[in-house]
Amino acid sequence: NAGVTQTPKFRILKIGQSMTLQCAQDMNHNYMYWYRQDPGMGLKLIYYSVGAGITDKGEVPNGYNVSRSTTEDFPLRLELAAPSQTSVYFCASTHAGRGYGYTFGSGTRLTVV
Amino acid sequence: KNEVEQSPQNLTAQEGEFITINCSYSVGISALHWLQQHPGGGIVSLFMLSSGKKKHGRLIATINIQEKHSSLHITASHPRDSAVYICAAHISSGSARQLTFGSGTQLTVLP
Repeated sequence: NAGVTQTPKFRILKIGQSMTLQCAQDMNHNYMYWYRQDPGMGLKLIYYSVGAGITDKGEVPNGYNVSRSTTEDFPLRLELAAPSQTSVYFCASTHAGRGYGYTFGSGTRLTVV
Repeated sequence: KNEVEQSPQNLTAQEGEFITINCSYSVGISALHWLQQHPGGGIVSLFMLSSGKKKHGRLIATINIQEKHSSLHITASHPRDSAVYICAAHISSGSARQLTFGSGTQLTVLP
C-alpha cells in the first residue's frame, strides 16, 4: 500500500499563478482532508470530503477549491496565488468509523513570491 | 484560547532522559491523537486513544478524560526521537472526524 501520495513535494509560484496540489489514497478511505501548516501554528483545515462528490469548507477555505470525483483522489486548487498561501500543505485520510487512525501525505511545501 | 494546548513548545533533553509532553483540551472529545513530524516534514500517527493508556516500544500515551489532559512519554530518549510532536483531538461536536491540532512540541535529544 502506498498510503496517501501527495505531489508535488515543493513548488514556487508567482503571485497570481494557479496550481493544483494532488492527493491520492489507496486505502478506500471515505474521509479526506486538506490542512495547511504555518510556522508555530497548529494545522488548519482547509477543505474536507466525506465521500466522492461531497466536499465542505473547513476553517480556512478562502483562496482554495477542491473536488472529489473519485474515492481515491482529492485535489486542492489554488487560484490567483497570494503570499499568504505560502505554507506546507498536508493531505490526510481516514475511515468514517470510530477507531480508525489518520494517514497523512508527506506534504507539499509551497512558496508564493 | 485554542481548544487544544500543548506544553512545552520546545524541549531539549540529554540522551537517556525520560520525556513528558503535555496536551490539554477545553472541549469534549471523542478521541485524541499523538503525531510525530520529523525534519523534512512527514507526519506519522503514533497513537489514537479515547481512554486509559497505550504503549508502543519506548512511547507511552495516557489520557485523563475527567481532567481533559493527555501526556506523551518517551523513555530512554535517543537523538532519533528528535522531532515535533503534535496532539490533535476529535472534537465531539465536530463533523466528519475533523481534527483540531495543538501547535506542537519541538523535541531535541542531544547525544
